[in-house]
Amino acid sequence: AQTVTQSQPEMSVQEAETVTLSCTYDTSESNYYLFWYKQPPSRQMILVIRQEAYKQQNATENRFSVNFQKAAKSFSLKISDSQLGDTAMYFCASLTGTASKLTFGTGTRLQVTL
Amino acid sequence: EAQVTQNPRYLITVTGKKLTVTCSQNMNHEYMSWYRQDPGLGLRQIYYSMNVEVTDKGDVPEGYKVSRKEKRNFPLILESPSPNQTSLYFCASSFRASGSVVIHNEQFFGPGTRLTVL
Repeated sequence: AQTVTQSQPEMSVQEAETVTLSCTYDTSESNYYLFWYKQPPSRQMILVIRQEAYKQQNATENRFSVNFQKAAKSFSLKISDSQLGDTAMYFCASLTGTASKLTFGTGTRLQVTL
Repeated sequence: EAQVTQNPRYLITVTGKKLTVTCSQNMNHEYMSWYRQDPGLGLRQIYYSMNVEVTDKGDVPEGYKVSRKEKRNFPLILESPSPNQTSLYFCASSFRASGSVVIHNEQFFGPGTRLTVL
């Protein structure tokens, strides 16, 4: 069974600062993908960034980057230059197996303050 | 515009009254899935479908049914809703190339359906 753990239920960061959201996962699969999704108050699920497990290089999307530690099964999200629009729930997820099943963590609620 | 649509967006119903939540995608995706989101639990998979007429259970299938008669549609059916099915429901789809190597692509999510069962 796949598991994804997000140990920070809530976090707060000041505008323009940097924040890191933690995520650990467990899988026995060799071929898997990792994602961070953002869920703003509108409830829409928005893909922030993805990482293929076979790639050693950490994924980056503008202000968002990940620290992928495969041996430690860790997949943290770093948000640089935080903006008020980054306020949202963030979900870490893994995608494995022939069933293309997404397994989600319980989420981290991020509040960006002035 | 490429999208996943769900209807209705909001629904309040009573225990035992059958309901269907529709899901449709216009991206010719093979793979479709239903999730429910509950506070403190994240999103959990209910059912999924890898192609027309191919469906299978996810982690929390009890009390739900699905069908996949057309590639674009994947309705979620609650035959006899109960209060513990009060939740936020998401439909998702993705292109999934399969063969000797399964290629997983990102899943596109619908806008969600807020269901309340009284």
